[in-house]
Amino acid sequence: DADVTQTPRNRITKTGKRIMLECSQTKGHDRMYWYRQDPGLGLRLIYYSFDVKDINKGEISDGYSVSRQAQAKFSLSLESAIPNQTALYFCATSPSYNSPLHFGNGTRLTVT
Amino acid sequence: RKEVEQDPGPFNVPEGATVAFNCTYSNSASQSFFWYRQDCRKEPKLLMSVYSSGNEDGRFTAQLNRASQYISLLIRDSKLSDSATYLCVVNKGQGGKLIFGQGTELSVKP
Repeated sequence: DADVTQTPRNRITKTGKRIMLECSQTKGHDRMYWYRQDPGLGLRLIYYSFDVKDINKGEISDGYSVSRQAQAKFSLSLESAIPNQTALYFCATSPSYNSPLHFGNGTRLTVT
Repeated sequence: RKEVEQDPGPFNVPEGATVAFNCTYSNSASQSFFWYRQDCRKEPKLLMSVYSSGNEDGRFTAQLNRASQYISLLIRDSKLSDSATYLCVVNKGQGGKLIFGQGTELSVKP
């Protein structure tokens, strides 16, 4: 079983729809992250959370919101999806600031 | 200047070749360095952490040069299965977030 699980794996939605991507982990890590990956742009940080009461914006947070429902769960929402949010989205966890990230298997999102 | 910059790819090499990737970083306070491997459309996976003294794991060797602010990854005796994109990752100063390079694509041919 994957330690970091993302759902759904693939999603196609229409412009203007609200959509939620979910991430859950069994690693017991406090830190959780949401990244998006676009061809030629690498991985960019959307939001991150160091514990349940701590939420921080990353470099590209506009158009997104997050919820840390529990230590193990971190959800990413697109309130009104637009086509340029079409990307591969990854959730990641880490136990501390100088530790490597552990990634989920990704969600491929297409906004038409 | 980008915070983390990698050699542009792709690198096309024959099986058995030795290949080296470089990655430069701009923040002199960076303390954590990693190499990740990413296969097409899949999640990045940690290949190795990079320590000040350099470290080796089988055919893979990673080195850090703090004075020149770069890290390197050397792959010896390349295998077809080494074909992937290699991502350089550096933290943004002490306690800072991890910043990813653009990735360097490696293709190992028979």
